[in-house]
Amino acid sequence: NAGVTQTPKFRILKIGQSMTLQCTQDMNHNYMYWYRQDPGMGLKLIYYSVGAGITDKGEVPNGYNVSRSTTEDFPLRLELAAPSQTSVYFCASSRGRSSYNSPLHFGNGTRLTVT
Amino acid sequence: AQKVTQAQTEISVVEKEDVTLDCVYETRDTTYYLFWYKQPPSGELVFLIRRNSFDEQNEISGRYSWNFQKSTSSFNFTITASQVVDSAVYFCALTQFMNYGGSQGNLIFGKGTKLSVKP
Repeated sequence: NAGVTQTPKFRILKIGQSMTLQCTQDMNHNYMYWYRQDPGMGLKLIYYSVGAGITDKGEVPNGYNVSRSTTEDFPLRLELAAPSQTSVYFCASSRGRSSYNSPLHFGNGTRLTVT
Repeated sequence: AQKVTQAQTEISVVEKEDVTLDCVYETRDTTYYLFWYKQPPSGELVFLIRRNSFDEQNEISGRYSWNFQKSTSSFNFTITASQVVDSAVYFCALTQFMNYGGSQGNLIFGKGTKLSVKP
């Protein structure tokens, strides 16, 4: 009963490097989300997906890309890492529109530092 | 615009004390959901409760209780007889009842209240 699994847990990047944050869920949820949490702040939505093959921008999408080729996986890609992307990244999923059917199920987060 | 304000940045109590975490929200929507999430030191986010704007009935779950008052746009969270394991950052969040287009799942989070319960 894994729920939402994120890898890696920690990562340090140099400016300009790229990486992919992995997220997979085993609950057969259609909706998946990526959030970032900056120190002392709440979470902000980066991208979301309502199903395989469908993605859309959230509140803070600049500098990121996503894809959703399967129901289970929703990777987040940073193409040119910048110090402003230092944050904790949370992946989440929900059975339906989170505000209507079910709450968000969060992964344990990926702590990313860009130096 | 939607906004969630958690004015208490940090609260420190001694075990067995009662503590209330405040949450004030702003929205122009007539239908919306409010949430509380707990983030313990380990970092994961744990869902605690969801309330919709139609239901102002207060809720109690064990030592936790929630007071929703539309008249004051508040959704306060009380922990009775606090325990060390309650130490965490608590987030209040708001979203529209139905997000047609736009950002579904776009929870608007407050900045969180860090609760420290000392033995």
